[in-house]
Amino acid sequence: QVQLQESGPGLVKPSETLSLTCTVSGGSISRYYWSWIRQPPGKGLEWIGYIYYSGGTNYNPSLKSRVTISLDTAKKQFSLRLSSVTAADTAVYYCAGGYYQPNWFDPWGQGTLVTISS
Amino acid sequence: EIVMTQSPATLSVSPGERVTLSCRASQSISNNLAWYQQKPGQAPRLLMYAASTRAAGIPARFSGSGSGTEFTLTISSLQSEDFAVYYCQQYSNWPPWTFGQGTKVEIK
Repeated sequence: QVQLQESGPGLVKPSETLSLTCTVSGGSISRYYWSWIRQPPGKGLEWIGYIYYSGGTNYNPSLKSRVTISLDTAKKQFSLRLSSVTAADTAVYYCAGGYYQPNWFDPWGQGTLVTISS
Repeated sequence: EIVMTQSPATLSVSPGERVTLSCRASQSISNNLAWYQQKPGQAPRLLMYAASTRAAGIPARFSGSGSGTEFTLTISSLQSEDFAVYYCQQYSNWPPWTFGQGTKVEIK
């Protein structure tokens, strides 16, 4: 079945850009909606945005001005860029998929902790 | 944005007990609700979608019900592996998709 793995720096300085990549294995990247979701330490889940396999995107309005999600179908990867980060962006970042629909999330990556600190 | 509210925040139960978790939406979401289970250090795991449809591989002791604004997740007989945090998530009105703050099920 499809498996996801996040990768990227675990430490980012304030005001810089957070960049993460999710690699898809065990299946096709097609017909999925690929999302990023984050979870601050000890807190709940926040949906950041998605990209469809055809390239269409949708972002959380609260983050829209700072977020870009892109897709590389040849590498079977999708990526998150979050600009102008602050300590409030410290979180575990998950990538997740929705097959044929963007509504619920399955599967998920294992998550990667990104700390915003100088 | 639809706000999802879960109650209680923490539930202390003994293995074998029946457990009922609640999730309320700030406006009607029909049956556009999913439930997830999250264990420490792990990603959330999809349990339920369309309020009452179990995801693949989810044991029958998990059941979901509700529509409109009130939803419940029931675990008929709590097993040791069920101690975790449970989240509800709406997908009726988006963006954004929104989650509840979670209910922690802990050992009594």
